[in-house]
Amino acid sequence: DAKTTQPPSMDCAEGRAANLPCNHSTISGNEYVYWYRQIHSQGPQYIIHGLKNNETNEMASLIITEDRKSSTLILPHATLRDTAVYYCIVRVWGDSSYKLIFGSGTRLLVRP
Amino acid sequence: DARVTQTPRHKVTEMGQEVTMRCQPILGHNTVFWYRQTMMQGLELLAYFRNRAPLDDSGMPKDRFSAEMPDATLATLKIQPSEPRDSAVYFCASAQGGRPQHFGDGTRLSIL
Repeated sequence: DAKTTQPPSMDCAEGRAANLPCNHSTISGNEYVYWYRQIHSQGPQYIIHGLKNNETNEMASLIITEDRKSSTLILPHATLRDTAVYYCIVRVWGDSSYKLIFGSGTRLLVRP
Repeated sequence: DARVTQTPRHKVTEMGQEVTMRCQPILGHNTVFWYRQTMMQGLELLAYFRNRAPLDDSGMPKDRFSAEMPDATLATLKIQPSEPRDSAVYFCASAQGGRPQHFGDGTRLSIL
């Protein structure tokens, strides 16, 4: 299973872009990169996922390098409600279902 | 928005007692996951089901934990007998096939 490496913590100013990096140098060709976040006392929340192309949705953008060994989650205009732990996960595929292996994540603090 | 519902939200009991946690997956989702979160171990996958059949329970202590899906709208996780080291937040998640998982807000379990 590909493992991910994320900085333990980051901070950014409210209204600015938050760029959260993730390394996954051992990712396989058919493994996707997923991002989840967990706000205090809540369950993890799905943000976005991608295979090799950049992706954007209403919450964030995902930039995956051409060699797929790293990616960056971008929150374009961070708000105080974006303070959370962000998990970068490489999807494990098995038996037509899939498992998510959570690491330690990055604790993002958005400052007023 | 459709949500995964977990009950109870909080449970405090004495060691040796049976604990049952319940999860109602999102209607139409055919895959259900159980996770446990502690400060020391983070988020760990315990077991998951597809179309109500257990696919993988390798993360679950076999001697005291059991997971079932009596029907498509209910998943249960039981601990018997409970021990203080079982104290954690237990999350249920559901998904439709290979689509992203959606998590409930967890059951916070304290074993005294």
